[in-house]
Amino acid sequence: RKEVEQDPGPFNVPEGATVAFNCTYSNSASQSFFWYRQDCRKEPKLLMSVYSSGNEDGRFTAQLNRASQYISLLIRDSKLSDSATYLCVVNYPGTYKYIFGTGTRLKVLA
Amino acid sequence: GAGVSQSPSNKVTEKGKDVELRCDPISGHTALYWYRQSLGQGLEFLIYFQGNSAPDKSGLPSDRFSAERTGGSVSTLTIQRTQQEDSAVYLCASSLRGSQRGAGELFFGEGSRLTVL
Repeated sequence: RKEVEQDPGPFNVPEGATVAFNCTYSNSASQSFFWYRQDCRKEPKLLMSVYSSGNEDGRFTAQLNRASQYISLLIRDSKLSDSATYLCVVNYPGTYKYIFGTGTRLKVLA
Repeated sequence: GAGVSQSPSNKVTEKGKDVELRCDPISGHTALYWYRQSLGQGLEFLIYFQGNSAPDKSGLPSDRFSAERTGGSVSTLTIQRTQQEDSAVYLCASSLRGSQRGAGELFFGEGSRLTVL
């Protein structure tokens, strides 16, 4: 089993739609979680950290489910500019590694 | 500059040649990371530096790969006797914190695209 797994997509959604991505992780002791966004042929950039209580930033909501070992990202009212690859990232305790998932590709269609 | 700087941005080399890739992290960032991203793939962890030391080299794919960091700043990733499978984008990132207690945001450079013919 991969340490961090994501559905590669692509998710093709119309503008204004709500879309959700899940990411599963294998190490139950993991404590730090993030979503990064990567545009085509660009470097990844932090979208948001994921906190135990869940957190929201505008149209984006991140949730953590420790019991089932997954994190989720919800995007409401999708914009064309949201088209990108969304990377799930886990930092394992006791290590300095950030483990990246392979990413979920989102295409928002006009 | 304010961000992570990498050079060269593009490198085309012949199989068997050595290459050096450079990363200049954000000033004051103690943690520095190298990742590799092949076409259509996720980010593969290579190595991590805390200051000048590398506590985790487990991601280096073979002994042809090495990295160093000097002065707690600039890092160089060296690939000896390049092979075609080394072709990828090599991404460097830095972080203000690299402790076991907490993970800080990773700031990435734009990457060095390596093509081995």
